[in-house]
Parts: sequence; C-alpha cells; structure tokens
Amino acid sequence: DVVLTQSPLSLPVTLGQPASISCRSSQSLVYSDGNTYLSWFQQRPGLSPRRLIYEVSKRDSGVPDRFSGSGSGTDFTLKISRVEAEDVGLYFCMLGAHWPPYSFGQGTKLEIK
Amino acid sequence: EVQLVESGGGLVQPGGSLRLSCAASGFIFSSYYMAWVRQAPGKGLEWVGCIANRHDGYIKQYAASVKGRFSISTDESKTTVYLQMNSLKTEDTATYFCVRESWWSYDYWGQGTLVTV
Repeated sequence: DVVLTQSPLSLPVTLGQPASISCRSSQSLVYSDGNTYLSWFQQRPGLSPRRLIYEVSKRDSGVPDRFSGSGSGTDFTLKISRVEAEDVGLYFCMLGAHWPPYSFGQGTKLEIK
Repeated sequence: EVQLVESGGGLVQPGGSLRLSCAASGFIFSSYYMAWVRQAPGKGLEWVGCIANRHDGYIKQYAASVKGRFSISTDESKTTVYLQMNSLKTEDTATYFCVRESWWSYDYWGQGTLVTV
C-alpha cells in the first residue's frame, strides 16, 4: 500500500501570512494514464471534509484562489497564499486511482498564532 | 445539488451489528462509485470500502481492518448506499462518512454519522 506522509502535523500561522503543507508518497503517484490523482481536503472544526484540490493542482469550484496545489512524482504541496481565520482546521492529502485501499495522509492541523 | 445524507449511527455493544444508510440525491446515482470513509475521534481519515457503479458491475472492495465484517450494498431504486457492520469492535468507533467518487477522488461528502462501540 502507498503511504502518504504529511508535514508538518501542526501548523501555527499568523493571519495574512502564507502557509505550506507537504505530502510525500512512498512511491510515485503517476497512474498508468499519465495523470496523478492526488487530492487535498479541508476539514473545518465540527464539519465533514471538503475537497479543495484534485489531480494535484485543479481547484474545486468555490475554492478561493489563495489555495493552490503543486508537485509531481512523490512530492506534493498545498499552499495558502494568505491565511484567513476561516482556514483553521485539518488538511488531508489523498491518493486515488491506484487499486484500493485508498490512502490518506495523517492530517495537518492549521491554527492561527 | 448533490446531497449525501447518512443515518443509522448510534451506540452498540461489542460484537453487535449496525447498518448505516446514505441517501443520495442530485446526481445519476448508478453512474458513480460510492465509498465509506471513517474518522475515529480526534484522528485522521481511514478508507473503509467502496462499491463500483452499475457499468463496472458493483464490484466491492474493503479495507483489511473491516474485511469479512463489513459489507457495502446499494439500492438504485432508493438511490441509497448501505454499510452493514457486523462483529463490531471498540476500534470501529468513529464518524462514518459516505462519499461520492469522481475521477479517483472524493468530490462530495455526507455530514457523517457517529458509531460508538
């Protein structure tokens, strides 16, 4: 099974400052069709997860453009250009496309300093 | 609007059974894979299992931790997916989310239902 390792696990950020979360895979995530099905999710306190990014860098409808995804192979990053109060919560990366079980990162807790 | 509404969670004794339901609406149910993901209190996300769409023959896959104890099924007429959980263990305590799979990602999530064993 593919193991996804996120870092940091805790991320205190000052409002208005940028934030970056890493997701590293135990093996290449490039699928046989040439695509990489790496997604990022946000889970605000008390709510269910919400997808922000899919296929490494495609932003979901309604997601603010301060969120961006990048990376390739085994290293991926979620960046928030300027953190706002509503960004507090857990962030997870997820691998799809390889045969189940699908893998999730451990989660990164973003909080405001 | 896509909606996934879970129900059926609750308190159950170890060794007991529970069936979760997920009522889906707002999309062509038979065209999508559906899955269950759980989250133990204060923990991360764990994939539980999935069921393929009609085109792919409703093939089912399960996490090793639940294989042989949990079973996923669907009722197209009710656009509902089920998670039958038997021989429950204390480590199955979690919020269970119903999710829709689209292009190998989970684009819609239900609100979750809490199962306490």
